[in-house]
Amino acid sequence: DAKTTQPNSMESNEEEPVHLPCNHSTISGTDYIHWYRQLPSQGPEYVIHGLTSNVNNRMASLAIAEDRKSSTLILHRATLRDAAVYYCILIRVSGTYKYIFGTGTRLKVLA
Amino acid sequence: DTAVSQTPKYLVTQMGNDKSIKCEQNLGHDTMYWYKQDSKKFLKIMFSYNNKELIINETVPNRFSPKSPDKAHLNLHINSLELGDSAVYFCASSQAPGQVREKLFFGSGTQLSVL
Repeated sequence: DAKTTQPNSMESNEEEPVHLPCNHSTISGTDYIHWYRQLPSQGPEYVIHGLTSNVNNRMASLAIAEDRKSSTLILHRATLRDAAVYYCILIRVSGTYKYIFGTGTRLKVLA
Repeated sequence: DTAVSQTPKYLVTQMGNDKSIKCEQNLGHDTMYWYKQDSKKFLKIMFSYNNKELIINETVPNRFSPKSPDKAHLNLHINSLELGDSAVYFCASSQAPGQVREKLFFGSGTQLSVL
């Protein structure tokens, strides 16, 4: 299973943009990049995913490097409710795929 | 309506007891999962069922036995509980595996404390 590496923690001021990095140097051509986040005392929730092109949705944007060995989740204006652990996951469609969660990045948002 | 619901939310029990955690999803998904989150917050997959059939079993001790009476339910029974079983257990569901566009939907977790 391909591995992802994320910083353990990051801090951001409220209403400022946040860039959460993820390294996945062993990514294969068919691996999709997914992001989930886990709010305190809740289960993880889907944020965004992509393959090669940058992606935007109402929650965030995903910027994928040209060589796909890294990606960045962008929260355009952090709010206190965005304080969570953010997981970057690679999903490979080959046989029985499974979501492998790493240790994630704990984002702290300062008021 | 809660999409993925699990009960109980908290479970405190003695070592050696047998306990069950129930999970139900109303999303019409074909696949359900059990994940374990330990004290270091590391999320690890335990089991996955697709249409009531076991498709992933991640080297979990035999004391853990999942049961899927229908595709909307996946219960987790744990025999002879040990201290190391203390963790938060999450149920999740998704559409059929192989569809990378599909998302995982998680329940809110069951915090199991073995004394």
